[in-house]
Amino acid sequence: GAVVSQHPSWVICKSGTSVKIECRSLDFQATTMFWYRQFPKQSLMLMATSNEGSKATYEQGVEKDKFLINHASLTLSTLTVTSAHPEDSSFYICSARGAAGGSTQYFGPGTRLTVL
Amino acid sequence: AQSVAQPEDQVNVAEGNPLTVKCTYSVSGNPYLFWYVQYPNRGLQFLLKYITGDNLVKGSYGFEAEFNKSQTSFHLKKPSALVSDSALYFCAVRDGGSGNTPLVFGKGTRLSVIA
Repeated sequence: GAVVSQHPSWVICKSGTSVKIECRSLDFQATTMFWYRQFPKQSLMLMATSNEGSKATYEQGVEKDKFLINHASLTLSTLTVTSAHPEDSSFYICSARGAAGGSTQYFGPGTRLTVL
Repeated sequence: AQSVAQPEDQVNVAEGNPLTVKCTYSVSGNPYLFWYVQYPNRGLQFLLKYITGDNLVKGSYGFEAEFNKSQTSFHLKKPSALVSDSALYFCAVRDGGSGNTPLVFGKGTRLSVIA
């Protein structure tokens, strides 16, 4: 199947700093990318949907100014957590999908963010 | 709006026995259904999907799932469980008739296969 990579796999930062997470589709062009957040022993919660070259669409309750998403190319999307606080600590997972319709969503390995 | 229900938080099965992980869904249009597996501290791995065609879908690692439209179910099955199948399983759905919609996930079912 298609491969999606994320970098970094884990990051520890101080409260108030910003952290950028990269998501890349390695062997296909991702017209749409999704960012999810997962708390321990819980399901994935969709944060936002981004199409290449367009502004991301955020889910209700997700602060767009805090979670900046950029989908600059068909193979790269970034999520920047600005002014991170301990409550932002979580497992962030990106997902990418190629052509619309029945195309499968492929997931990255996730990024564990810990804010001290 | 679409939704997925996985009624069991935990399923325990003995190695070599058949396993079933249940999933029911709600969607206004045509359901596109997926199963993913997650190992600890890892992302999700795609197992199988139903878009159209045969109701019985075969996927990776010997897993299969049966689409039942009347019961709005898409249960995951495997004839003979392995200890290595122990993981967290997610069922997901999207409305196939609504363009570029994201997947909506169930809460997950933890499968434990006991040797």
